Amino acid sequence: NAGVTQTPKFRVLKTGQSMTLLCAQDMNHEYMYWYRQDPGMGLRLIHYSVGEGTTAKGEVPDGYNVSRLKKQNFLLGLESAAPSQTSVYFCASSDPGQGKETQYFGPGTRLLVL
Amino acid sequence: AQSVTQPDIHITVSEGASLELRCNYSYGATPYLFWYVQSPGQGLQLLLKYFSGDTLVQGIKGFEAEFKRSQSSFNLRKPSVHWSDAAEYFCAVAPYNFNKFYFGSGTKLNVKP
Repeated sequence: NAGVTQTPKFRVLKTGQSMTLLCAQDMNHEYMYWYRQDPGMGLRLIHYSVGEGTTAKGEVPDGYNVSRLKKQNFLLGLESAAPSQTSVYFCASSDPGQGKETQYFGPGTRLLVL
Repeated sequence: AQSVTQPDIHITVSEGASLELRCNYSYGATPYLFWYVQSPGQGLQLLLKYFSGDTLVQGIKGFEAEFKRSQSSFNLRKPSVHWSDAAEYFCAVAPYNFNKFYFGSGTKLNVKP
């Protein structure tokens, strides 16, 4: 039982490049979330999903897209990376319907956009 | 609008001393409140949560928190801090359906030997 895993762990992009961050969970959770963490700002919700095939915007969705084609995976895409997207990205999952409101977090992905 | 404020950016305490980390929230409905801890280079781990009932909740690692509705606060406490408690602590609030979580900016705890 690996919990929540994130791929890659670290990436350097040039401005304008695109990339996809992968989040996978093996706990059969319904809800999944993408956050970014910046110094002094805590975690801010980018997008979230309450089930397979559904996604919704969080606090800071601009410049990002997501997809939840399979229940266990939640992908975060950057179509045209900007230096302002340099951050640490965390994925989390939970399953409130089963009384499991606790969010389980992945180890994070460090992204540097030059 | 929902928000969480952690007024202390950094706190330093001596090992064995007591600890209190402050958290104030702004939320229109009944809040569900959480405290998470993040060690360097790691993801977040849940310490404790409050949904309803007894306003004093116990968590892991000897932490506890008290919900005070009149003060819109959910402060985290520990009677005796250990060096291994050095980390960053985040308070969070969520609505009843847990589709969004709002985090505070965090408090970094340093523990002096």
